[in-house]
Amino acid sequence: AQSVAQPEDQVNVAEGNPLTVKCTYSVSGNPYLFWYVQYPNRGLQFLLKYITGDNLVKGSYGFEAEFNKSQTSFHLKKPSALVSDSALYFCAVRDGRGKLIFGQGTELSVKP
Amino acid sequence: NAGVTQTPKFQVLKTGQSMTLQCAQDMNHEYMSWYRQDPGMGLRLIHYSVGAGITDQGEVPNGYNVSRSTTEDFPLRLLSAAPSQTSVYFCASSSTGGSGEAFFGQGTRLTVV
Repeated sequence: AQSVAQPEDQVNVAEGNPLTVKCTYSVSGNPYLFWYVQYPNRGLQFLLKYITGDNLVKGSYGFEAEFNKSQTSFHLKKPSALVSDSALYFCAVRDGRGKLIFGQGTELSVKP
Repeated sequence: NAGVTQTPKFQVLKTGQSMTLQCAQDMNHEYMSWYRQDPGMGLRLIHYSVGAGITDQGEVPNGYNVSRSTTEDFPLRLLSAAPSQTSVYFCASSSTGGSGEAFFGQGTRLTVV
């Protein structure tokens, strides 16, 4: 069965600094990997996905993610954090039928 | 575009009551699913459906029923509400197959007293 782990409950960064939110996965076969963001009292919004191809995936709001097959990781990154990036971030893995399994989430806090 | 619509947004139930959370999508997606979100637990899959007439259990199905009579609708039924079902519930839809991203509703905040 597929699974996702986000090892950090919270990540704190200063505005303007680079940020990384970590994700590791376990899945049989080729992984379909996703990142979502959730702002307070809102639903989840899609940020980016890895299906195949380049290991560096670019998404919305300047975010990108690096797929590393040997380390089974899919870390979310942004070169320069904004205060408005503060939110809850979820990594997810999907199987061939569409079943989507989420990690427990990482709270990102960006301070001015 | 409406996307994924969930109703109601808020609900308070007494222990033992039943209710149905509604979910509708207008994107002709075959795949629909229900999650519950609890602090520190992320989103846990309750039930999912890969098309009309087909449903399957997720990680935490106990106490919940679903049916899928049309492509558009995927209601979640709580048969006899318990305080442990206090949570925020999200419905999602996506195209079948691994590559399509999921679209989420705005959530239903349910409190069982």
